[in-house]
Amino acid sequence: GQNIDQPTEMTATEGAIVQINCTYQTSGFNGLFWYQQHAGEAPTFLSYNVLDGLEEKGRFSSFLSRSKGYSYLLLKELQMKDSASYLCAVLDSNYQLIWGAGTKLIIKP
Amino acid sequence: TAGITQAPTSQILAAGRSMTLRCTQDMRHNAMYWYRQDLGLGLRLIHYSNTAGTTGKGEVPDGYSVSRANTDDFPLTLASAVPSQTSVYFCASSDSLQSSYNEQFFGPGTRLTVL
Repeated sequence: GQNIDQPTEMTATEGAIVQINCTYQTSGFNGLFWYQQHAGEAPTFLSYNVLDGLEEKGRFSSFLSRSKGYSYLLLKELQMKDSASYLCAVLDSNYQLIWGAGTKLIIKP
Repeated sequence: TAGITQAPTSQILAAGRSMTLRCTQDMRHNAMYWYRQDLGLGLRLIHYSNTAGTTGKGEVPDGYSVSRANTDDFPLTLASAVPSQTSVYFCASSDSLQSSYNEQFFGPGTRLTVL
């Protein structure tokens, strides 16, 4: 079966750096997405990786290793507004997104 | 402002009743999707549509039906609601389903409670 694993919850301190990991086992691979979802709101797109390596976008970076079935989202200079759930999703061979359950990130002052 | 709208925002529904959740996008996207989101689970795909006039079943289609009469609208119907359909429902769209870069844009969601 298809599976996306990510930690349920993480806590970090304002101004610090946090890394959220995601491992996947899917039927085929056409890219990996990270979305941010604030409580009670819709998911919004953060990043996309299809080739191995690091993609940087401001305070957020996303890394992919296809051979290991592994990705991480790195958040730097954490701000209180970064408190949210972070969803990892993989586009499978049928071009359908398979979603992880999300990692709830709690930022403490 | 361009985007996706959903209606209603929330609804309490008696078991056995029918209901249609509405979804409209103005981005001229070809592909549209319906997901449900339950606590502790990832978003699960109910139905999708590659383009107007076509629909397909996702991971959890039972008890739901959809139609795609035009590009903009993608309603989701529950013919006879059951309590296990209590969930938050998100509609989403993307430029194309058959594309690796398939950023999906989400509507604000409908919170449905079936009693």
